[in-house]
Amino acid sequence: GIQVEQSPPDLILQEGANSTLRCNFSDSVNNLQWFHQNPWGQLINLFYIPSGTKQNGRLSATTVATERYSLLYISSSQTTDSGVYFCAVFGWNRDDKIIFGKGTRLHILP
Amino acid sequence: EAQVTQNPRYLITVTGKKLTVTCSQNMNHEYMSWYRQDPGLGLRQIYYSMNVEVTDKGDVPEGYKVSRKEKRNFPLILESPSPNQTSLYFCASSLRGGTGIQPQHFGDGTRLSIL
Repeated sequence: GIQVEQSPPDLILQEGANSTLRCNFSDSVNNLQWFHQNPWGQLINLFYIPSGTKQNGRLSATTVATERYSLLYISSSQTTDSGVYFCAVFGWNRDDKIIFGKGTRLHILP
Repeated sequence: EAQVTQNPRYLITVTGKKLTVTCSQNMNHEYMSWYRQDPGLGLRQIYYSMNVEVTDKGDVPEGYKVSRKEKRNFPLILESPSPNQTSLYFCASSLRGGTGIQPQHFGDGTRLSIL
């Protein structure tokens, strides 16, 4: 099955800094999503981005499907950005499974 | 309001006592799925369902059962829970379009402790 690797596993930044989170996947994917898990455990949709670039406020994401990676950019970090960021992929094979990466834990210091 | 609702949110129970975690969505989504989240392992798919009466195993199905008798409901059943099933569980739903699974919507999670 598809392997999904996220990097870095942990990231500590000062408020106001920018960050780039990476998601690599081992095979062609049908779709890719980025999620934020807040400190209360809720999973929040950030982007549905099988290819191309999208932006939403201070966050943007780019997926280069041909090179099998996606990047999540967070600019001007705020303490509310803290939490764990996951990418999840759905492959082109026929088993319809969804595979999550193990996440990047982001901690923004005030 | 579009949502995925899981119940209960928290449960502490004992080994071997059958339990059911309910999941309901009001978005008429075809695809529904259960995940468990464990420290260091991320989210792993337990079972999924492409539509009514269609279910398939995910990566960690052992010890779980599901059913999909109605489009909106997808309960997770633990027939004989064991301590290694202590985890945080999420239900999710999405449309299934011609290009595959569309964005997933998650419930708020169920924290399950098996003593």
